[in-house]
Amino acid sequence: AQSVAQPEDQVNVAEGNPLTVKCTYSVSGNPYLFWYVQYPNRGLQFLLKYITGDNLVKGSYGFEAEFNKSQTSFHLKKPPALVSDSALYFCAVRDSPPSNTGKLIFGQGTTLQVKP
Amino acid sequence: DTGVSQNPRHKITKRGQNVTFRCDPISEHNRLYWYRQTLGQGPEFLTYFQNEAQLEKSRLLSDRFSAERPKGSFSTLEIQRTEQGDSAMYLCASSLDILAGGMDEQFFGPGTRLTVL
Repeated sequence: AQSVAQPEDQVNVAEGNPLTVKCTYSVSGNPYLFWYVQYPNRGLQFLLKYITGDNLVKGSYGFEAEFNKSQTSFHLKKPPALVSDSALYFCAVRDSPPSNTGKLIFGQGTTLQVKP
Repeated sequence: DTGVSQNPRHKITKRGQNVTFRCDPISEHNRLYWYRQTLGQGPEFLTYFQNEAQLEKSRLLSDRFSAERPKGSFSTLEIQRTEQGDSAMYLCASSLDILAGGMDEQFFGPGTRLTVL
C-alpha cells in the first residue's frame, strides 16, 4: 500500500534561514509525489509535484523539493524562509495502478513556524 | 473566483440529525474527490467521482454516508444520523485528468467544518 511519512510534527526556523520539511514515501511502482500547504481556516493549496524528470522540482512561492529515489524521500525546501511561510505542510502520494482514481494519500502534516 | 467552493463553511448539529454539504468544483474538471480531515491529521480519502459516476468509496464511508454528483457538476455529501465521531473538516477537491488535457493536480475547496454535539 502507498504511504508517506512526515517524521516531524513541527519545524522551527528563523526568518531568512533555509528551511527543510521532511517526507519519506513507500510506494509500489513509480511515485507521484505532491506537497500542499494549509493556512488556518483555508483549504489545501498546491505547491509542487514530482512525476518524472529532474530530481529538483520548483514550485509556487519559492518552494522546491528534492526527490531522492535511493532514500525514498521528497523533502520540501526553501532557501530563505519568511514569517508568512508559517503554516501546515502536507506531503502526499498519488495512488497508483491498478487504482486509477488519482486519490491522494497524505502524511500527518508538519507545522512550520518561522520566527522573526 | 473560479476555484472550488463549499457550503456551508461551518455546520453545528446535534447527534442523530442529518446534514448535507455541497461542493462546486472548477467548472471544466471531470474528477471530484471528498476527503475528511480530523485535528492533527492529514486528509483521508472518502470517495471519488469521474463525471457523474461514483467509482470508489473508502471503507471510512459507512452506510450513513452518501455522496452524489448529478449531471457531473456539483456534488453533495450527506451524513445521516450523525455521531460525535463525524466531527471533522470535510474537504472537496477537483481535477481535470490527463486524458482530458489536464495535469491531474487536485484543487481543494476551503472545507466544511462539522461539529456534532
